[in-house]
Amino acid sequence: DTGVSQDPRHKITKRGQNVTFRCDPISEHNRLYWYRQTLGQGPEFLTYFQNEAQLEKSRLLSDRFSAERPKGSFSTLEIQRTEQGDSAMYLCASSLGGRGRVNIQYFGAGTRLSVL
Amino acid sequence: AQSVSQHNHHVILSEAASLELGCNYSYGGTVNLFWYVQYPGQHLQLLLKYFSGDPLVKGIKGFEAEFIKSKFSFNLRKPSVQWSDTAEYFCAVDSNYQLIWGAGTKLIIKP
Repeated sequence: DTGVSQDPRHKITKRGQNVTFRCDPISEHNRLYWYRQTLGQGPEFLTYFQNEAQLEKSRLLSDRFSAERPKGSFSTLEIQRTEQGDSAMYLCASSLGGRGRVNIQYFGAGTRLSVL
Repeated sequence: AQSVSQHNHHVILSEAASLELGCNYSYGGTVNLFWYVQYPGQHLQLLLKYFSGDPLVKGIKGFEAEFIKSKFSFNLRKPSVQWSDTAEYFCAVDSNYQLIWGAGTKLIIKP
């Protein structure tokens, strides 16, 4: 058990619907990351938080995607008006970052999204 | 932009065979390098990492990797694989806090 929890594990939705995923990081970790992974590929970076501040967003993160980490603890990733191309595994990771610290990311089990 | 290449998408070995999985990255500066493993049905787990110092790093379960700066490589090795090593292996580079990943290598060990 890595300590990073993601919910739900699986989500099936119809095209056009909105979905929201939740990630609970390891409790003392100040950094939180979202990645997307499709079949046969490695994970692709989506966005990154340090505490509650969203510091970096990938160009992969279109306007339909939004992520929050309101109190610097759990995070949510929302996809609006889902498209079939959004079908993927969405991974959350957390790390304890800071000056001089080694940035080791620990991953959750992921949320598998299927858009029909 | 940083990129990571893993040379083999699928590798099939018999138990007790030696393993070497290739990983090359594109960035020429200071890098932090990782190998992660994903066992069937499980989450990504850190296998080993390189930040500085001895270029030969040892990880869990008998795995090791060698950082060769001149070749931009960070190959993963294990002298004798076991059936339980069947998994997908990912090489990654730390680039401004995000990880840049290779496409992964699926390793199947025949009992």
